[in-house]
Amino acid sequence: QAALTQPRSVSGSPGQSVSISCTGTRNDVGMYMYVSWYQQSPGKAPKLLIYDVSKRPSGVPGRFSGSKSGYTASLTISGLQNEDEADYYCCSYAGSNSYVFGTGTKVTVL
Amino acid sequence: QLQLQESGPGLVKPSETLSLTCTVSGDSVTNDNYYWAWVRQPPGKALEWIGSVYYSGNTFYNPSVRSRVAISADTSSNQFSLRLNSVTAADTAVYYCASHRFSTSWYPVYFDYWGQGALVTVSS
Repeated sequence: QAALTQPRSVSGSPGQSVSISCTGTRNDVGMYMYVSWYQQSPGKAPKLLIYDVSKRPSGVPGRFSGSKSGYTASLTISGLQNEDEADYYCCSYAGSNSYVFGTGTKVTVL
Repeated sequence: QLQLQESGPGLVKPSETLSLTCTVSGDSVTNDNYYWAWVRQPPGKALEWIGSVYYSGNTFYNPSVRSRVAISADTSSNQFSLRLNSVTAADTAVYYCASHRFSTSWYPVYFDYWGQGALVTVSS
């Protein structure tokens, strides 16, 4: 059960948009609409940002959005803010009651 | 609002058993919208799902640790627990407990509330 592949890092200036990819296989991202995204600030617990590919829990800003095409899911941050600097992880249901996280992406605000 | 708190020893010797407990407040572990999960993160590395338990006792585990792990729920104390035996240095990590929620599915699919995490170091 290999980890989902994410870019190691992405960066952008305040106000810009950045996207983070999360590539899996036909057995996880490609098969299920159950991709979630988490934000983790240094020394903190992860925080749920997106579930079911594109749904936002209450309280999560609208600048965070999710999508999926084929074996790749994406998280987009529109209007990047300084407080968005953190690590981001995707996670997918992988069948047979198993779950796989991504390798993680560090977002830097320039 | 749901709150979770991990507790347990921060240091475990190699070959021994790691034991952690997660205390749930703000809701009951018998809430049928949730499984209850353990997720770990080795220093500087990515998150890894360990396993999940339903209040009825139903469990499922990551194949990578299935032979060494047991997760259980205690409805009387509103807690759930992790036991990982035969630990090695590779099991050194921050261990998080989390609520594992159902969506439009017959199985839980996302982790919505997390504990603050407990660092467990495996060393002699």
